[in-house]
Amino acid sequence: NAGVMQNPRHLVRRRGQEARLRCSPMKGHSHVYWYRQLPEEGLKFMVYLQKENIIDESGMPKERFSAEFPKEGPSILRIQQVVRGDSAAYFCASSVFGATGELFFGEGSRLTVL
Amino acid sequence: DQQVKQNSPSLSVQEGRISILNCDYTNSMFDYFLWYKKYPAEGPTFLISISSIKDKNEDGRFTVFLNKSAKHLSLHIVPSQPGDSAVYFCAASGGTLGGATNKLIFGTGTLLAVQP
Repeated sequence: NAGVMQNPRHLVRRRGQEARLRCSPMKGHSHVYWYRQLPEEGLKFMVYLQKENIIDESGMPKERFSAEFPKEGPSILRIQQVVRGDSAAYFCASSVFGATGELFFGEGSRLTVL
Repeated sequence: DQQVKQNSPSLSVQEGRISILNCDYTNSMFDYFLWYKKYPAEGPTFLISISSIKDKNEDGRFTVFLNKSAKHLSLHIVPSQPGDSAVYFCAASGGTLGGATNKLIFGTGTLLAVQP
């Protein structure tokens, strides 16, 4: 009865490196959402994906950020050429579409850019 | 453009008293509202929700009130317990055209401290 699994829980990168964050949704959930929480701020929507499809990426920065949810395997949030401002907690959530709107969140991946 | 606002960054109450957390929204298309609770270094966990067709939903010590005309909702916790100390996020959904995506728009959170 595993919940939403995110890894790594903590990731340290130097400026210019790439960060890859992984998310496995709850069993039976085919919808994945990524949120970012900057220090002292709330949760900001980034992207919503279904298997092999990006449904809504209105919250994704236009450059350096990408997300995928392949047919097999976890969803990946990729940040290229990281900068200090990317330091944040990145939360993944999953849901069953058509349900009451509740999202189930993972414990987050904390990215620190040195 | 902050569509969901929690204007109180923090709230301190005594154990046993009522905690009232407030949330305002601007998008009249929102039709579902949720409260999440978050402990440090953990993900948010769902607490309680309310549909726009209702004005009150109760679950044990937690009650959410919705005032659609004022675009305001509140979470009441009574009696408050020290274990309730956490950040509480208000969230809303349904503000998209062409049907719901379940995408939630979150407020900035209110840190509740319940003093023993």
